[in-house]
Amino acid sequence: GNSVTQMEGPVTLSEEAFLTINCTYTATGYPSLFWYVQYPGEGLQLLLKATKADDKGSNKGFEATYRKETTSFHLEKGSVQVSDSAVYFCALSEEAQKLVFGQGTRLTINP
Amino acid sequence: GAGVSQSPRYKVAKRGQDVALRCDPISGHVSLFWYQQALGQGPEFLTYFQNEAQLDKSGLPSDRFFAERPEGSVSTLKIQRTQQEDSAVYLCASSLEGRGSYEQYFGPGTRLTVT
Repeated sequence: GNSVTQMEGPVTLSEEAFLTINCTYTATGYPSLFWYVQYPGEGLQLLLKATKADDKGSNKGFEATYRKETTSFHLEKGSVQVSDSAVYFCALSEEAQKLVFGQGTRLTINP
Repeated sequence: GAGVSQSPRYKVAKRGQDVALRCDPISGHVSLFWYQQALGQGPEFLTYFQNEAQLDKSGLPSDRFFAERPEGSVSTLKIQRTQQEDSAVYLCASSLEGRGSYEQYFGPGTRLTVT
């Protein structure tokens, strides 16, 4: 079946550091890929998405590129801020529409 | 506009009690999803509705779990004879159309604790 594997957390960085959170997936077809974010005390919200191979999703300075050859969708940001502290979830969705999530990566940014 | 709302936000149930969790999706959204999120884990799919039709209930963990959306809007997830392993956050999401690339908008969740 379909599955998503994220790098284990927690991840702690200093402000303005470069961020990478790894995500790889297993799917039988050609899924859409997503990053969702959960800020403290808030619900899950979509951060970015990509619907086909080589697409790049971007939002709020975050980027991720759909790599079919490596079945990956790594999340990157060039300079993180304290306000980026949250839990990040990688997810995929195929024709059945349901989202399959990774286990989440807790990110803490220190000033 | 209003987002997805869920009630109650917190529920404590004694083992063996029945509970009902409510989800109000965004108005006009065709698809509605329920997920279960255990502590420290990612959400896991439970069931999916398109309008009033329950198209996928493959994620429901047992026959104690039942979901309905009778008029294609509000949905209720019912858990009968709750067990401790049912303790989790139950998330509801809705989307405009049930295609893979359409964004799912999540509610704040209902945290269920079974004692």
